[in-house]
Amino acid sequence: NAGVTQTPKFQVLKTGQSMTLQCAQDMNHNSMYWYRQDPGMGLRLIYYSASEGTTDKGEVPNGYNVSRLNKREFSLRLESAAPSQTSVYFCASSEAAARAGYEQYFGPGTRLTVT
Amino acid sequence: TQLLEQSPQFLSIQEGENLTVYCNSSSVFSSLQWYRQEPGEGPVLLVTVVTGGEVKKLKRLTFQFGDARKDSSLHITAAQPGDTGLYLCAGAGSNYQLIWGAGTKLIIKP
Repeated sequence: NAGVTQTPKFQVLKTGQSMTLQCAQDMNHNSMYWYRQDPGMGLRLIYYSASEGTTDKGEVPNGYNVSRLNKREFSLRLESAAPSQTSVYFCASSEAAARAGYEQYFGPGTRLTVT
Repeated sequence: TQLLEQSPQFLSIQEGENLTVYCNSSSVFSSLQWYRQEPGEGPVLLVTVVTGGEVKKLKRLTFQFGDARKDSSLHITAAQPGDTGLYLCAGAGSNYQLIWGAGTKLIIKP
């Protein structure tokens, strides 16, 4: 039982390049999330997927796209990377809605630098 | 827009001292969670509080949810170096989203 896995762990991109961050969970969770974490700003939600087949924008969706490939996998794509997207990206999953108090389980993160 | 203000942002104390971290908002939350994050890892849940006035204890850590469910505190008694980390509070906002505080970076010096 690996929990939430993310690939890659580190990535350096040049401005304008594209890439996809992969995330998978093996806990049979319904909901999945993508966050970015910047110093002094806590976690900011980029996109989430309440259930398989649905995706919704979070607080900071501009410059990103997501795909809920199946119940296990939720990918985040940067189409044209910008230096402002330099950050640590976390994928998380939960059994159901945050409003019901469900815990979110996090992956180890992807450290992305855009030069 | 719901916001959670966490204080202090940074705290460095000696082993054995006590400390309190605060999480405040003008909004009401249905529940509030506290997470701890170590360098290079994702956050891990410590506790969820749901009822106004609720107090939960986890060994030397005491968590309290305000009566009006707008604020919460984390108190650590006799802090140890193993308590070092980033502590994050998160309130249940809309159905699927958590509202996160900016975090308190805690360093316990031996």
